[in-house]
Amino acid sequence: DAGVIQSPRHEVTEMGQEVTLRCKPISGHDYLFWYRQTMMRGLELLIYFNNNVPIDDSGMPEDRFSAKMPNASFSTLKIQPSEPRDSAVYFCASSPLVSRGETQYFGPGTRLLVL
Amino acid sequence: EDQVTQSPEALRLQEGESSSLNCSYTVSGLRGLFWYRQDPGKGPEFLFTLYSAGEEKEKERLKATLTKKESFLHITAPKPEDSATYLCAVQARGNTGKLIFGQGTTLQVKP
Repeated sequence: DAGVIQSPRHEVTEMGQEVTLRCKPISGHDYLFWYRQTMMRGLELLIYFNNNVPIDDSGMPEDRFSAKMPNASFSTLKIQPSEPRDSAVYFCASSPLVSRGETQYFGPGTRLLVL
Repeated sequence: EDQVTQSPEALRLQEGESSSLNCSYTVSGLRGLFWYRQDPGKGPEFLFTLYSAGEEKEKERLKATLTKKESFLHITAPKPEDSATYLCAVQARGNTGKLIFGQGTTLQVKP
């Protein structure tokens, strides 16, 4: 299996622009997670899906952030409009089952820089 | 509030010098405790899951242990390739899927 795939790997944009991050989870995994990692706050969960349905979006920082999962093999995280404080590494992770602490497998991340 | 604290923040060891990393947690019922390794520029890589106090797991030079309040990651005779940031995370009962991560311990092993 190729593992979790994320694109782009790097993104540089200007403040106010729309940014779309993409994720392909491991085939057969029912859960998909979006995390953000910064030096100040570490790794934080933004939102997660179960069978394409958003379950918990309490970590989404504000209305500028939105996430979708139109099918089992694809998810997007969108920031509109982007701000410099959104600069971070965004990770996608997937898991087969979480009834008893199933392992989450992380992608390589997208490094976002908002100028 | 569920919380995870890792110590030390950074650790420098000589090759072969064994040591331990600490992960203290406060959680309303532990479903699982996870250890990940993260190399620069990469995503976290899964190492271990521990479910109950007294449980231990080993992988090569690494051994993870769990008590009711903390977990230790013991590194025996480390090598330079063990240099990385080690992350601890907990999953609480009732928080299906949600992992709470500590800030990590950055380990550097010098030859």
